[in-house]
Amino acid sequence: EVQLVESGGGLVQPGGSLRLSCAASGFNFSPYSMNWLRQAPGKGLEWLSHIRGDGGGITYADSVKGRFTISRDNVKNSLYLQMNSLRDEDTAVYYCARDTRGSADYWGQGTLVTVSS
Amino acid sequence: DVVMTQSPLSLPVALGQPASISCRSSQSLVHSDGNTYLNWFQQRPGQSPRRLIYKVSNRDSGVPDRFSGSGSGTEFTLRISRVEAEDVGVYYCMQGTHSWTFGQGTKVEIK
Repeated sequence: EVQLVESGGGLVQPGGSLRLSCAASGFNFSPYSMNWLRQAPGKGLEWLSHIRGDGGGITYADSVKGRFTISRDNVKNSLYLQMNSLRDEDTAVYYCARDTRGSADYWGQGTLVTVSS
Repeated sequence: DVVMTQSPLSLPVALGQPASISCRSSQSLVHSDGNTYLNWFQQRPGQSPRRLIYKVSNRDSGVPDRFSGSGSGTEFTLRISRVEAEDVGVYYCMQGTHSWTFGQGTKVEIK
């Protein structure tokens, strides 16, 4: 069974940093591209970042470019999102999702990030 | 960026009645490989999104056949033939042809 489990969320002050992790299991992780997405409270879904299976092909949404960094460790079957210079508007549930050519077929349960002083 | 516009944003439906959600893209979703990467997701209250439909009309495994997708180019539709109580939630269209963007979501509730 495919499973994606996010962790690392929490409360952080504006300007602070946080590192999210996504542990993958139940499938061969390394060939798959992966993505990070988020959902602000009561709002819709927003794609944030993509990384190819080999760690290349990295892209970011304009809203996080220069502040967030996506990475992966295919030995540990894990995906990461380093978030710096956090702002109030970054408050959201953050999801990792497996990429299958033009779609996201599996999502994690999400981890909540709250940016507040 | 490709803008996805859903309508309606709120959809009260009586149990057993049909429901239809429209999704329009600001540009064609036909990829250079010939595929149209238009997906539909269901998000039940308190849950992560779940994919229902991919490439316009392909139902995911385990998705009831009362859900169907159709459309082409820039106009797409998700139909529920007979709404059941478990269908309550927010439905999103998502295009995967030009990076990924989502519609605003349509909230389906029981009338």
